[in-house]
Parts: sequence; structure tokens; C-alpha cells
Amino acid sequence: QKEVEQDPGPLSVPEGAIVSLNCTYSNSAFQYFMWYRQYSRKGPELLMYTYSSGNKEDGRFTAQVDKSSKYISLFIRDSQPSDSATYLCAMRGQGGSEKLVFGKGTKLTVNP
Amino acid sequence: ETGVTQTPRHLVMGMTNKKSLKCEQHLGHNAMYWYKQSAKKPLELMFVYSLEERVENNSVPSRFSPECPNSSHLFLHLHTLQPEDSALYLCASSQAIGGAGGTQYFGPGTRLTVL
Repeated sequence: QKEVEQDPGPLSVPEGAIVSLNCTYSNSAFQYFMWYRQYSRKGPELLMYTYSSGNKEDGRFTAQVDKSSKYISLFIRDSQPSDSATYLCAMRGQGGSEKLVFGKGTKLTVNP
Repeated sequence: ETGVTQTPRHLVMGMTNKKSLKCEQHLGHNAMYWYKQSAKKPLELMFVYSLEERVENNSVPSRFSPECPNSSHLFLHLHTLQPEDSALYLCASSQAIGGAGGTQYFGPGTRLTVL
């Protein structure tokens, strides 16, 4: 079983839709959870950062972490064409030697 | 310049060439990273530096040679590469390694093509 599983999509939605992206993981030691957004031919941009379980909201974006199920989600409300990108989940443990482990990324297209 | 910058943005090289990738971070961070991003694969960590000292070498072939002269600059020296090394090479930096300060910020990447 891979450490982090993420459906690569592609996912295509109409403008204004609510988008749900998610990742599952196997390592119960993961404590820090991130979502990065990567536009075509650009580097990943940190979008959301969550420590341990719970929800975090930032504008149209909500990140959820359920450690009991080893499942994290990113919700995008009122999606816009500018949200079209690849979304990468990433996570790591507490210690200094813990590597950041990435999912493969989900490619999202929001159609006007 | 702000954030993390990388040069060149695109590079085409033959298998016998020697070239270098450069990364500079303007965030006052102490840790820097090299990643490789290939199509349909997760980001692969290559090297980690903390306060100019290499702390991780993730089983990377010796044809990739990193150099970190100070906490703001990171280089990746390339020689005798193979076509399968063609990928997007990403540099990242973080305040620290691990803990709350370990959140990584990425540069735009260098798109490398090996002919």
C-alpha cells in the first residue's frame, strides 16, 4: 500500500460547483497536512496547512483532516476557472527527519 | 525578487554536457531542498540541506551533485545525464526541518530535457 493515495482525475466541473478533493494515507505518524496548488508549468504553491485533526477555512477553501480514518479533504466552494490546476496533498510526521510525502496530484478543470 | 527563484527556467542538454541549476530563496529560511517531478509520479525528494549541511541524500545517482554555499543558495550540478532524467526540477525552502517550521515553499522549477 502506498503511503499516500490520491486520485489523479482528471476532474472537470462547471463554474460555481463545489469541488471535493481527497487523499488517504497509511502512516499514522503523519501530523502535518498540506495542500499545494500547481498551475501548468509552475512550481507548487502552498494553499492550506493543517496540524493534526480538524477543519481549517480560508476564503473559498476548506481543509479537513480525519486522522481516525487517515483521510484528508480539500473543498473549494464557488469554483472559478482560475482554480483550474493540479492539487497536491502532502503530509509528514513530527520529527526533524520526517520527509514530506506527496500524493500524485489531482488535475482539476473548472469550465466557464 | 521574492520567495524562491530558480534559473534557468528551461534547459536542454545532451548526455555528455555539464550544466548547473541554481536556486535562491529570499525568505530567510535555513533549510533547502531539491525535488524531481516526473509525469504521473509524486514529487521525489532528492536532497535536503539544513544550515548548508546536507542532511539527506535520497539514493540519488552521482550524476546529480548538490552544492549549498550558504543558506540562501542551492545548486544542482548535472553531468552525463540520461534521457530518463528529463523532468521538472523543483527547489524548496523552509524555516526549519520538521515541526511547525518545516512547511516548504517551492520555486517555479527548471524544466530539463536531456537529449
